[in-house]
Amino acid sequence: NAGVTQTPKFQVLKTGQSMTLQCAQDMNHEYMSWYRQDPGMGLRLIHYSVGAGITDQGEVPNGYNVSRSTTEDFPLRLLSAAPSQTSVYFCAVKTGTHSYEQYFGPGTRLTVT
Amino acid sequence: GQNIDQPTEMTATEGAIVQINCTYQTSGFNGLFWYQQHAGEAPTFLSYNVLDGLEEKGRFSSFLSRSKGYSYLLLKELQMKDSASYLCAVRDRGRKAAGNKLTFGGGTRVLVKP
Repeated sequence: NAGVTQTPKFQVLKTGQSMTLQCAQDMNHEYMSWYRQDPGMGLRLIHYSVGAGITDQGEVPNGYNVSRSTTEDFPLRLLSAAPSQTSVYFCAVKTGTHSYEQYFGPGTRLTVT
Repeated sequence: GQNIDQPTEMTATEGAIVQINCTYQTSGFNGLFWYQQHAGEAPTFLSYNVLDGLEEKGRFSSFLSRSKGYSYLLLKELQMKDSASYLCAVRDRGRKAAGNKLTFGGGTRVLVKP
């Protein structure tokens, strides 16, 4: 999995609570991204980053913030959780300049009640 | 924007062949991926096609026709462990960052029966 770790594996939040989903990699990959996966809808891109200090929005960015202060870490923040954010969240990294493959972390299953 | 379609579910028998189709209509195209995802796990990379034609990797093959906006994943000699979801994803056209963005179809769940 290209050294991609995600924490926590499971989380239950109440509506309005905030939390940060962690994603870390130890292979110095520049490109990292966050996806959410909902039944029947496939994976949808939330935010992505091409390196430290550079982030951009994906397809479904509303309700999520990101920052990239180091190459290793790319945390995803939910400032005020909503039931619509109940989903499985995957972090992915692109391995290498000439490789287009993206490797996914193990995922975080989030439930917002 | 991108629109990617693939069947929701398919059933096949152990030892048989199954073909999973994927059609796409995109504003930009720079390659197509297939990923395998077992229940409760992360997607894992299977194949990447950027040119027309067939790419073979052991029991799995992937085909692309850019003019038709069509790809398929062929699974041969099916095994029980091949029961999983198969995700088709299109890589966006664009320089640097935008060129790494992927748009996924809804996934096809394949059930292999004995």
